[in-house]
Amino acid sequence: DADVTQTPRNRITKTGKRIMLECSQTKGHDRMYWYRQDPGLGLRLIYYSFDVKDINKGEISDGYSVSRQAQAKFSLSLESAIPNQTALYFCATSDTRQGNTEAFFGQGTRLTVV
Amino acid sequence: AQRVTQPEKLLSVFKGAPVELKCNYSYSGSPELFWYVQYSRQRLQLLLRHISRESIKGFTADLNKGETSFHLKKPFAQEEDSAMYYCALRSSGGYNKLIFGAGTRLAVHP
Repeated sequence: DADVTQTPRNRITKTGKRIMLECSQTKGHDRMYWYRQDPGLGLRLIYYSFDVKDINKGEISDGYSVSRQAQAKFSLSLESAIPNQTALYFCATSDTRQGNTEAFFGQGTRLTVV
Repeated sequence: AQRVTQPEKLLSVFKGAPVELKCNYSYSGSPELFWYVQYSRQRLQLLLRHISRESIKGFTADLNKGETSFHLKKPFAQEEDSAMYYCALRSSGGYNKLIFGAGTRLAVHP
């Protein structure tokens, strides 16, 4: 089945370290998103990309960067991790050709910064 | 600015009781509204969208533009409905990003 896959699923890292979260999809969708989920705050948009040459900041992009290496891959980097970046991170995709009406999510990456 | 508000963090009901999860939005254009659900240890998935006017798993939601609301309703809750529910808004136009509310946890007790 076509899917959205995130790696790693869990990661513990130290303050100040650089870390990359990866997302790949086999759905052939053009749009990809990174969200973080925090209790009581829901899902907040970090970055989104509508094609390989298009990257846009979301609500909470500070401290994060992204790379759209190919239509199927969208990576999120924390250049210097800090404890308040501890959260559950989700990648999602959607398809302009299908009216862009539904987002498909990965399984999530639980990141802990100590 | 686009904003989605879900005022209740937790809604606790007994099996068979009616359920209403509230969602209010702020957007000046013509939004698309969605409800997503996240069951325990599963990924988020679309439950329903306002343009489809559908009923999924007994849930319905009506867009009320006057009250800027999109409340999710079910007449008789089931234990398997226990999950986290997110209301989401997509703006119209080219850069139509998807914005989520804070979520409401529905707990259905036997």
